[in-house]
Formats: sequence, C-alpha cells, structure tokens
Amino acid sequence: GAGVSQTPSNKVTEKGKYVELRCDPISGHTALYWYRQSLGQGPEFLIYFQGTGAADDSGLPNDRFFAVRPEGSVSTLKIQRTERGDSAVYLCASSLTGASYNEQFFGPGTRLTVL
Amino acid sequence: ILNVEQSPQSLHVQEGDSTNFTCSFPSSNFYALHWYRWETAKSPEALFVMTLNGDEKKKGRISATLNTKEGYSYLYIKGSQPEDSATYLCAFLSNNDMRFGAGTRLTVKP
Repeated sequence: GAGVSQTPSNKVTEKGKYVELRCDPISGHTALYWYRQSLGQGPEFLIYFQGTGAADDSGLPNDRFFAVRPEGSVSTLKIQRTERGDSAVYLCASSLTGASYNEQFFGPGTRLTVL
Repeated sequence: ILNVEQSPQSLHVQEGDSTNFTCSFPSSNFYALHWYRWETAKSPEALFVMTLNGDEKKKGRISATLNTKEGYSYLYIKGSQPEDSATYLCAFLSNNDMRFGAGTRLTVKP
C-alpha cells in the first residue's frame, strides 16, 4: 500500500507495562510526526523527525515516552511504565519534507488502552 | 489567542444546507494553516494547506479563506451532503510547533 501504516491497530496493556507502537511512513517522505489524540480533543503533537533525527521532541509529555527512527523510515514510539492516562489514539503522519506547506498524510492510528 | 480554537464544536445540518465553521489561531509567528477532514474509522485527510494572508482555496463544494493578521480561517461547505459528515480539524504551524484545534464535528442529515 502507498499510505502510512501503523501497527498494532489496537493495543490493550496493563498499568506499568512497556509498549511499542510502530509507524511505516510513505516511501520517500523525510518528515514523520507522532500525535496523541484523547477523547474529545484534537491531535496533540508529540515529536517530529526529519530523516533519522528528532527535530522537535517538545511534545513528549515526560521521559517515559521515547521515539526512534534509526534508518529514516520506520519509526517506533516507546512508552515505559504505562499509566491509565496514556490511553489514547496515537497517530503517525508523514510528509514529503518538513516544510510547513507540505500536507501531512496520516496513518489509521493505534488505539492504546491501559487498564 | 494562544491556542487553536475551532467553533462550533459540533454542527447538525440538513442535506443541501450550506455551512461554515471557524478556526482561530495566534496571529504571530504564522507559517501555515492546514485543514483536515477526519471521517470516523479513517485517517485524517488533508483538505487545504494555506500559507498566505488572503489565501482562498477551493475543492469541489468546499472552500476556505485565511486571515493571518487577525488569526482566523473559515471553512465553507456549499450544499452539504451526508458524505460530508466528518470532523474537520485545523492545524496551525508556527516556526516552532504545530497545534491542532479540537475540531468541528459535522453531521449532515439526509
């Protein structure tokens, strides 16, 4: 497929566990973004990669959240010691470059539920 | 305005009605404003990317205007159809971040 894909689509975990969420961007897109969407709210920016490096990680809520993109393509969002408040839909998007005039293409999201 | 605000939060219209909603954003450090359409169980899909004050964009029955000096953008839908039912998100890009509004949820009744 040519779109952004995310796996898993749903993840249920217990409080305190570690989870990894994966994003496969559109081939050739250098910019990749992670967002979190809680019920009734718009997507909240978490982190932006340009290539392999995190160009802006100011949205990560605390040090339990970490993301990597080692080869400039697939990215993994990692959450340690999950808390119930981490329950949300985690969206990934990619764009051709990080320029503000490039539209972002979104994946279907991963719904994380922390019990 | 420090955050991105969208109004109304939700809107119910009859098929054939025309409608519009608002995105308000900070008027400083403006780089771009994006509009996205998000249907239930699907991914957000880009409608417009607007970068210049006074920009007007149109795609079929949907159009948008931009006023960067006063910090607002309007999205218009002419002759709403049931398939227009979705949440419409705007996103403000400045030189150091991107912020989304909470969206306007549109329901078009046949």
